[in-house]
Amino acid sequence: AQSVTQLDSQVPVFEEAPVELRCNYSSSVSVYLFWYVQYPNQGLQLLLKYLSGSTLVKGINGFEAEFNKSQTSFHLRKPSVHISDTAEYFCAVRLPSGGSYIPTFGRGTSLIVHP
Amino acid sequence: NAGVMQNPRHLVRRRGQEARLRCSPMKGHSHVYWYRQLPEEGLKFMVYLQKENIIDESGMPKERFSAEFPKEGPSILRIQQVVRGDSAAYFCASSPRISGTYNEQFFGPGTRLTVL
Repeated sequence: AQSVTQLDSQVPVFEEAPVELRCNYSSSVSVYLFWYVQYPNQGLQLLLKYLSGSTLVKGINGFEAEFNKSQTSFHLRKPSVHISDTAEYFCAVRLPSGGSYIPTFGRGTSLIVHP
Repeated sequence: NAGVMQNPRHLVRRRGQEARLRCSPMKGHSHVYWYRQLPEEGLKFMVYLQKENIIDESGMPKERFSAEFPKEGPSILRIQQVVRGDSAAYFCASSPRISGTYNEQFFGPGTRLTVL
């Protein structure tokens, strides 16, 4: 079975500063990796995904993530954050095939952007 | 194309009552997933349904919880005899027909259940 660890429950940062949200996963087989964002009182929205190919993945809103197989990590980065990036961010993993294609989610990281 | 719709957005029930949560998938989507989000936790999978079929209910509590996705109409998550521990946000997601490759799940805005 696969699992996801988001080491930071909260990340405070000032506006226009860079940010990295960490995600590590555990799986004995290859997985698909995702980052989702959840704004207050809303559902999850897909930011980006890694399925295969280039290990650097670019997503919406200026976010990117790098898949590191040796470190089993998929950290999310943004070079300059905005107030509007304040939200909950979830990392998720999923098997590429078989089963019910159900992703396993991390516990989330709350990004708090201060002016 | 309307997104995934869930209603009600907020639901308050007293202990022992029944809660019914509805989810209308995106147009053309025949797969529905239900997740529960407890405070300060990630989403936990509950059940995966196709029209008229439960495909995977490995995340559903054994008692009081049930789900259906009829041929016509929305998917329903039913919680009988609610307890305070059922208070959570319940999210529905939908995806198009599984073809063996990647299929993105699109999430609804959630129903926030409060049990008094």
